[in-house]
Amino acid sequence: EDKVVQSPLSLVVHEGDTVTLNCSYEVTNFRSLLWYKQEKKAPTFLFMLTSSGIEKKSGRLSSILDKKELFSILNITATQTGDSAIYLCAGRNNYGQNFVFGPGTRLSVLP
Amino acid sequence: NAGVTQTPKFQVLKTGQSMTLQCAQDMNHNSMYWYRQDPGMGLRLIYYSASEGTTDKGEVPNGYNVSRLNKREFSLRLESAAPSQTSVYFCASSAQTGGETQYFGPGTRLLVL
Repeated sequence: EDKVVQSPLSLVVHEGDTVTLNCSYEVTNFRSLLWYKQEKKAPTFLFMLTSSGIEKKSGRLSSILDKKELFSILNITATQTGDSAIYLCAGRNNYGQNFVFGPGTRLSVLP
Repeated sequence: NAGVTQTPKFQVLKTGQSMTLQCAQDMNHNSMYWYRQDPGMGLRLIYYSASEGTTDKGEVPNGYNVSRLNKREFSLRLESAAPSQTSVYFCASSAQTGGETQYFGPGTRLLVL
């Protein structure tokens, strides 16, 4: 059974700190791993990573996947209060529609 | 463009009642999905529709039915609600089967007493 695990489940930091969120996956016939940010309502897409190992960046956020160790990290530098959210990681395989989500990491950034 | 819309935003049901959650997208996407989100469990796929006229079960389909009414609309029905179905329900769509980027609706918070 495919599985995605995230750690930590909850994290509290102060503005300006750098954080690293972890996602490990066990997905049969792995295709890609996706990161989402969920604030009050709907998750919004951040990054998609594949086994190519290419790092993705967007402003202060970056993410990379280690295909050998089967994990991905999401880094956020110089955190701001607006980064407070739940960060979801999802793996999917080549077969179909099955996006398997992890439980999420709840990040709280204090002023 | 409104993206993905869901109605209602919040609903309270008594055990045994039925209801339909509505979802519509205006992005001309082929694929649509229904998820439920429970604390500490992430998002779990209930049903999906790869294209108009097709539907398939996801990870947790029991107690639910779906209808892909047309390309825009994908509804989720609870025939006989149970307290275990108390959750937040999200509808999502993607451009094609296996489309990597899913766009989510704002969610429906359902409480079953």
